[in-house]
Amino acid sequence: GAGVSQTPSNKVTEKGKYVELRCDPISGHTALYWYRQSLGQGPEFLIYFQGTGAADDSGLPNDRFFAVRPEGSVSTLKIQRTERGDSAVYLCASSYASSGRVDNEQFFGPGTRLTVL
Amino acid sequence: SQQGEEDPQALSIQEGENATMNCSYKTSINNLQWYRQNSGRGLVHLILIRSNEREKHSGRLRVTLDTSKKSSSLLITASRAADTASYFCATDREETSGSRLTFGEGTQLTVNP
Repeated sequence: GAGVSQTPSNKVTEKGKYVELRCDPISGHTALYWYRQSLGQGPEFLIYFQGTGAADDSGLPNDRFFAVRPEGSVSTLKIQRTERGDSAVYLCASSYASSGRVDNEQFFGPGTRLTVL
Repeated sequence: SQQGEEDPQALSIQEGENATMNCSYKTSINNLQWYRQNSGRGLVHLILIRSNEREKHSGRLRVTLDTSKKSSSLLITASRAADTASYFCATDREETSGSRLTFGEGTQLTVNP
């Protein structure tokens, strides 16, 4: 596709359940990013992949959050034992730039709105 | 944590007027980027300015960067109702070069027809 796609667009789950959010980056983009955005705030960084490996996962809030990118393309963000505080829009972005480049314009997907009841 | 702070938090103007939004940040950067967001979903990249640049133009957008004051401004000239959106500045910090962007909390711009 032409842009970054994310599925599902909306996810409603119950407290304690497990969820998976998927991101399909722009073809050829080696860098992939996950952000979380709460209402009225800017996106907050969660994790960054360069290829298949997580180059920086320091933004993950706790060990209930995990992300993979096994073939260097599609990524899945996994949240275990969801809590109401996990409710937010989860944004994925991809970039052609690699670490150390000066310009790293990121292209964002439409996001997944997660609601934990 | 948020690095940038935008002001104002909200701005309401009439169509045809200019809109100016400001952003301040705290640490040394490689570049600063401005993004637009409609309805709390995906962000659209508007413009990137490098740390060694002072001003950049793109259509009706003008961005300035003052690294000595750690601040940037986004000017939208001849605004249109379709410019109504949230605008965020984001920094690519030297210490995390090429990885994360650090976003501010945004300015909600409303352009009244």
